[in-house]
Amino acid sequence: DTAVSQTPKYLVTQMGNDKSIKCEQNLGHDTMYWYKQDSKKFLKIMFSYNNKELIINETVPNRFSPKSPDKAHLNLHINSLELGDSAVYFCASSQPSRSSSYNSPLHFGNGTRLTVT
Amino acid sequence: RKEVEQDPGPFNVPEGATVAFNCTYSNSASQSFFWYRQDCRKEPKLLMSVYSSGNEDGRFTAQLNRASQYISLLIRDSKLSDSATYLCVVGLYSGAGSYQLTFGKGTKLSVIP
Repeated sequence: DTAVSQTPKYLVTQMGNDKSIKCEQNLGHDTMYWYKQDSKKFLKIMFSYNNKELIINETVPNRFSPKSPDKAHLNLHINSLELGDSAVYFCASSQPSRSSSYNSPLHFGNGTRLTVT
Repeated sequence: RKEVEQDPGPFNVPEGATVAFNCTYSNSASQSFFWYRQDCRKEPKLLMSVYSSGNEDGRFTAQLNRASQYISLLIRDSKLSDSATYLCVVGLYSGAGSYQLTFGKGTKLSVIP
């Protein structure tokens, strides 16, 4: 009954390859995210989707392409992998509300540790 | 000024000590505030939400000062199991489903026997 699950947990690949990371949430949330945590442990948002629609697209190389087939899934495809892409990628979901009094925390998947060699 | 700034740490404290973490945020329109905990090589997990009036959960007390744009977390009677990185998180709903949470860099806590 995992709330946010992402696969694979570990991904080791060579430079120039294309890879995908999958994410699914069973919380019924409308919004899903991809975060990147680099070697300095800084968590930075990459993308946010609300009901399959791209909402937030931070400054990320266009080699990274998210895809949301439905609101429970948000996959991340990475083309032409580079050494600098090595990091832990976290998928997350939340249920935002227009009410400012409602706190909507993030629920994270357990991360995908990507190593590019 | 960074969007969410925290004490750099690391904090090394003996068991039983009281430790306080501070955090400041730059966007005065921010609406939601949280403390997350991240263990080594694990995903961040929600520790507690932070409410305007301040709130307590067992040994943990969180406070928010909107005027100063300042958030704090107090841990009393530290346990070895409290050793982790504590992340200050600030959320902003900007309409059309756009809800963004911004993370601080985290403060590492090591509780020593």
